[in-house]
Amino acid sequence: DIQMTQSPSSLSASVGDRVTITCRPSQYISIYLNWYQQKPGKAPKLLIYTASSLQSGVPSRFSGSGSGTDFSLTISSLQPEDFATYYCQQSYSTPYTFGQGTKLEIK
Amino acid sequence: EGQLVESGGGLVRPGGSLRLSCAASGFTFSSHWMHWVRQAPGRGLVWVSRLNPDGSRTNYADSVKDRFTISRDNAKNTLFLQMNSLRAEDTAVYYCVRDRLGGSTGFDSWGQGTLVSVSS
Repeated sequence: DIQMTQSPSSLSASVGDRVTITCRPSQYISIYLNWYQQKPGKAPKLLIYTASSLQSGVPSRFSGSGSGTDFSLTISSLQPEDFATYYCQQSYSTPYTFGQGTKLEIK
Repeated sequence: EGQLVESGGGLVRPGGSLRLSCAASGFTFSSHWMHWVRQAPGRGLVWVSRLNPDGSRTNYADSVKDRFTISRDNAKNTLFLQMNSLRAEDTAVYYCVRDRLGGSTGFDSWGQGTLVSVSS
Protein backbone atom coordinates (compact mmCIF):
# COMPACT_ATOMS: atom_id res chain seq x y z
CA ASP A 1 0.00 0.00 0.00
CA ILE A 2 1.08 3.58 -0.66
CA GLN A 3 1.54 5.54 2.57
CA MET A 4 0.71 9.24 2.48
CA THR A 5 2.55 11.55 4.84
CA GLN A 6 1.12 15.03 5.35
CA SER A 7 2.84 17.85 7.14
CA PRO A 8 2.26 19.61 9.33
CA SER A 9 -0.40 17.71 11.30
CA SER A 10 -1.70 21.00 12.62
CA LEU A 11 -1.15 24.61 11.77
CA SER A 12 -2.15 27.91 13.38
CA ALA A 13 -2.50 30.86 11.05
CA SER A 14 -4.25 34.20 10.72
CA VAL A 15 -6.74 35.52 8.20
CA GLY A 16 -4.77 36.80 5.22
CA ASP A 17 -1.81 34.47 5.73
CA ARG A 18 -0.38 32.29 2.99
CA VAL A 19 -0.14 28.66 4.06
CA THR A 20 1.28 25.54 2.47
CA ILE A 21 0.58 21.91 3.34
CA THR A 22 2.79 19.17 1.94
CA CYS A 23 2.03 15.57 1.09
CA ARG A 24 4.57 12.90 0.33
CA PRO A 25 3.56 9.43 -0.90
CA SER A 26 5.79 6.49 -0.11
CA GLN A 27 6.17 5.75 -3.82
CA TYR A 28 5.74 7.36 -7.22
CA ILE A 29 2.13 8.34 -8.03
CA SER A 30 2.56 10.54 -11.12
CA ILE A 31 -0.02 13.33 -10.72
CA TYR A 32 -2.75 11.19 -9.11
CA LEU A 33 -2.99 13.30 -6.01
CA ASN A 34 -6.16 14.98 -4.75
CA TRP A 35 -6.87 17.43 -1.92
CA TYR A 36 -10.00 17.65 0.23
CA GLN A 37 -11.31 20.04 2.85
CA GLN A 38 -13.46 18.80 5.71
CA LYS A 39 -15.30 20.88 8.27
CA PRO A 40 -16.60 19.39 11.54
CA GLY A 41 -19.67 17.24 11.08
CA LYS A 42 -19.58 17.58 7.31
CA ALA A 43 -18.52 15.41 4.40
CA PRO A 44 -15.21 16.20 2.73
CA LYS A 45 -15.15 18.47 -0.30
CA LEU A 46 -12.84 18.06 -3.29
CA LEU A 47 -10.59 21.09 -3.79
CA ILE A 48 -7.84 20.00 -6.18
CA TYR A 49 -7.64 16.92 -8.41
CA THR A 50 -4.72 15.44 -10.32
CA ALA A 51 -2.26 17.53 -8.33
CA SER A 52 -3.04 20.96 -9.73
CA SER A 53 -6.53 21.13 -11.28
CA LEU A 54 -8.97 23.33 -9.40
CA GLN A 55 -12.37 21.71 -8.84
CA SER A 56 -15.29 23.71 -10.19
CA GLY A 57 -16.60 26.24 -7.68
CA VAL A 58 -13.47 26.25 -5.52
CA PRO A 59 -11.95 29.71 -4.96
CA SER A 60 -8.79 30.50 -6.87
CA ARG A 61 -6.85 31.17 -3.64
CA PHE A 62 -6.47 27.38 -3.46
CA SER A 63 -3.76 25.87 -5.63
CA GLY A 64 -1.91 22.59 -5.87
CA SER A 65 1.42 21.56 -7.28
CA GLY A 66 3.80 18.66 -7.55
CA SER A 67 4.24 15.29 -9.17
CA GLY A 68 5.84 11.96 -8.41
CA THR A 69 6.50 11.92 -4.69
CA ASP A 70 6.26 15.55 -3.60
CA PHE A 71 3.05 17.59 -3.54
CA SER A 72 1.71 20.70 -1.90
CA LEU A 73 -1.51 22.60 -1.34
CA THR A 74 -1.29 26.37 -0.96
CA ILE A 75 -3.93 28.81 0.23
CA SER A 76 -2.77 32.23 -0.90
CA SER A 77 -4.74 34.38 1.54
CA LEU A 78 -6.61 32.61 4.31
CA GLN A 79 -10.27 33.44 4.75
CA PRO A 80 -12.33 32.68 7.88
CA GLU A 81 -14.16 29.86 6.09
CA ASP A 82 -10.87 28.09 5.30
CA PHE A 83 -10.25 26.93 8.85
CA ALA A 84 -10.83 23.20 8.53
CA THR A 85 -9.00 19.90 8.17
CA TYR A 86 -7.28 19.13 4.87
CA TYR A 87 -6.52 15.68 3.48
CA CYS A 88 -4.44 14.54 0.56
CA GLN A 89 -5.31 11.30 -1.23
CA GLN A 90 -3.61 9.23 -3.88
CA SER A 91 -5.71 7.74 -6.66
CA TYR A 92 -2.82 6.04 -8.47
CA SER A 93 -3.55 2.56 -7.16
CA THR A 94 -5.92 0.86 -4.76
CA PRO A 95 -6.20 1.07 -1.84
CA TYR A 96 -6.71 4.81 -2.40
CA THR A 97 -4.96 6.01 0.72
CA PHE A 98 -5.42 9.34 2.45
CA GLY A 99 -2.97 11.39 4.44
CA GLN A 100 -3.57 11.70 8.17
CA GLY A 101 -4.94 15.22 7.80
CA THR A 102 -3.80 18.75 8.59
CA LYS A 103 -5.93 20.73 11.00
CA LEU A 104 -5.80 24.42 10.16
CA GLU A 105 -6.72 26.56 13.14
CA ILE A 106 -7.10 30.26 13.76
CA LYS A 107 -4.15 31.89 15.50
CA GLU B 1 -23.95 18.35 -9.77
CA GLY B 2 -25.45 15.19 -8.31
CA GLN B 3 -26.69 14.08 -4.94
CA LEU B 4 -25.91 11.00 -2.88
CA VAL B 5 -28.02 9.93 0.11
CA GLU B 6 -26.90 7.03 2.31
CA SER B 7 -29.13 4.94 4.55
CA GLY B 8 -28.98 1.72 6.50
CA GLY B 9 -26.58 2.58 9.29
CA GLY B 10 -27.26 1.80 12.92
CA LEU B 11 -26.18 -0.13 15.98
CA VAL B 12 -25.20 -3.75 15.48
CA ARG B 13 -23.55 -6.36 17.69
CA PRO B 14 -20.09 -7.74 16.87
CA GLY B 15 -20.43 -10.49 14.30
CA GLY B 16 -23.62 -9.00 12.92
CA SER B 17 -24.48 -7.68 9.47
CA LEU B 18 -25.74 -4.46 7.93
CA ARG B 19 -26.53 -3.37 4.39
CA LEU B 20 -25.89 0.24 3.48
CA SER B 21 -27.62 1.85 0.53
CA CYS B 22 -26.80 5.01 -1.39
CA ALA B 23 -29.41 6.62 -3.60
CA ALA B 24 -27.93 8.70 -6.41
CA SER B 25 -29.70 11.44 -8.32
CA GLY B 26 -28.97 14.33 -10.63
CA PHE B 27 -26.29 12.64 -12.71
CA THR B 28 -25.73 9.59 -14.91
CA PHE B 29 -25.03 7.07 -12.17
CA SER B 30 -24.16 4.27 -14.58
CA SER B 31 -21.20 6.25 -15.97
CA HIS B 32 -19.24 6.61 -12.74
CA TRP B 33 -16.97 4.51 -10.59
CA MET B 34 -18.41 4.58 -7.08
CA HIS B 35 -16.70 4.15 -3.73
CA TRP B 36 -17.29 3.79 -0.02
CA VAL B 37 -15.07 5.75 2.37
CA ARG B 38 -15.31 5.58 6.15
CA GLN B 39 -14.26 7.75 9.05
CA ALA B 40 -14.07 6.48 12.62
CA PRO B 41 -15.05 9.03 15.29
CA GLY B 42 -12.34 11.67 15.57
CA ARG B 43 -10.15 9.94 13.02
CA GLY B 44 -9.13 10.38 9.40
CA LEU B 45 -10.59 9.17 6.13
CA VAL B 46 -10.16 5.56 5.06
CA TRP B 47 -11.02 4.22 1.62
CA VAL B 48 -13.08 1.01 1.84
CA SER B 49 -14.10 -0.19 -1.61
CA ARG B 50 -14.80 0.75 -5.22
CA LEU B 51 -16.96 -0.55 -8.06
CA ASN B 52 -16.72 0.17 -11.77
CA PRO B 53 -19.65 1.61 -13.76
CA ASP B 54 -21.12 -1.70 -14.96
CA GLY B 55 -20.59 -3.47 -11.66
CA SER B 56 -18.12 -6.05 -12.94
CA ARG B 57 -14.94 -4.94 -11.14
CA THR B 58 -14.41 -4.43 -7.45
CA ASN B 59 -11.57 -3.57 -5.11
CA TYR B 60 -11.46 -3.66 -1.31
CA ALA B 61 -9.27 -2.50 1.52
CA ASP B 62 -7.53 -5.46 3.17
CA SER B 63 -9.33 -4.67 6.44
CA VAL B 64 -12.74 -5.45 4.91
CA LYS B 65 -11.90 -8.00 2.22
CA ASP B 66 -13.99 -11.16 2.46
CA ARG B 67 -16.40 -9.47 4.86
CA PHE B 68 -17.81 -6.56 2.85
CA THR B 69 -19.36 -6.66 -0.62
CA ILE B 70 -19.96 -3.63 -2.82
CA SER B 71 -22.62 -3.77 -5.51
CA ARG B 72 -24.88 -1.51 -7.54
CA ASP B 73 -28.23 -1.41 -9.31
CA ASN B 74 -27.86 0.98 -12.22
CA ALA B 75 -31.57 0.70 -13.06
CA LYS B 76 -32.38 2.09 -9.62
CA ASN B 77 -29.36 4.42 -9.33
CA THR B 78 -28.33 2.79 -6.08
CA LEU B 79 -25.03 1.68 -4.58
CA PHE B 80 -24.84 -0.90 -1.79
CA LEU B 81 -22.38 -2.11 0.80
CA GLN B 82 -23.14 -5.44 2.43
CA MET B 83 -21.18 -5.67 5.66
CA ASN B 84 -20.86 -9.05 7.40
CA SER B 85 -18.90 -10.24 10.43
CA LEU B 86 -18.79 -6.73 11.78
CA ARG B 87 -16.15 -5.77 14.32
CA ALA B 88 -15.82 -2.92 16.79
CA GLU B 89 -13.16 -1.38 14.56
CA ASP B 90 -15.71 -1.05 11.74
CA THR B 91 -17.49 1.64 13.78
CA ALA B 92 -17.45 4.75 11.59
CA VAL B 93 -19.40 7.13 9.45
CA TYR B 94 -19.65 5.55 6.00
CA TYR B 95 -19.69 7.87 3.00
CA CYS B 96 -20.90 6.99 -0.47
CA VAL B 97 -18.65 8.76 -2.95
CA ARG B 98 -18.60 9.44 -6.69
CA ASP B 99 -15.39 9.35 -8.67
CA ARG B 100 -14.93 11.96 -11.37
CA LEU B 101 -15.81 10.76 -14.86
CA GLY B 102 -13.13 8.44 -16.16
CA GLY B 103 -12.19 7.34 -12.67
CA SER B 104 -9.12 7.70 -10.47
CA THR B 105 -9.12 11.48 -10.55
CA GLY B 106 -10.79 12.57 -7.34
CA PHE B 107 -14.01 12.14 -5.43
CA ASP B 108 -16.23 15.02 -6.50
CA SER B 109 -19.48 14.17 -4.78
CA TRP B 110 -20.02 12.82 -1.26
CA GLY B 111 -23.12 11.76 0.61
CA GLN B 112 -23.86 13.08 4.08
CA GLY B 113 -22.69 9.80 5.64
CA THR B 114 -24.39 7.12 7.69
CA LEU B 115 -23.13 6.04 11.10
CA VAL B 116 -22.40 2.38 11.77
CA SER B 117 -21.80 1.49 15.41
CA VAL B 118 -20.60 -2.00 16.31
CA SER B 119 -20.93 -2.71 20.01
CA SER B 120 -22.26 -5.31 22.39
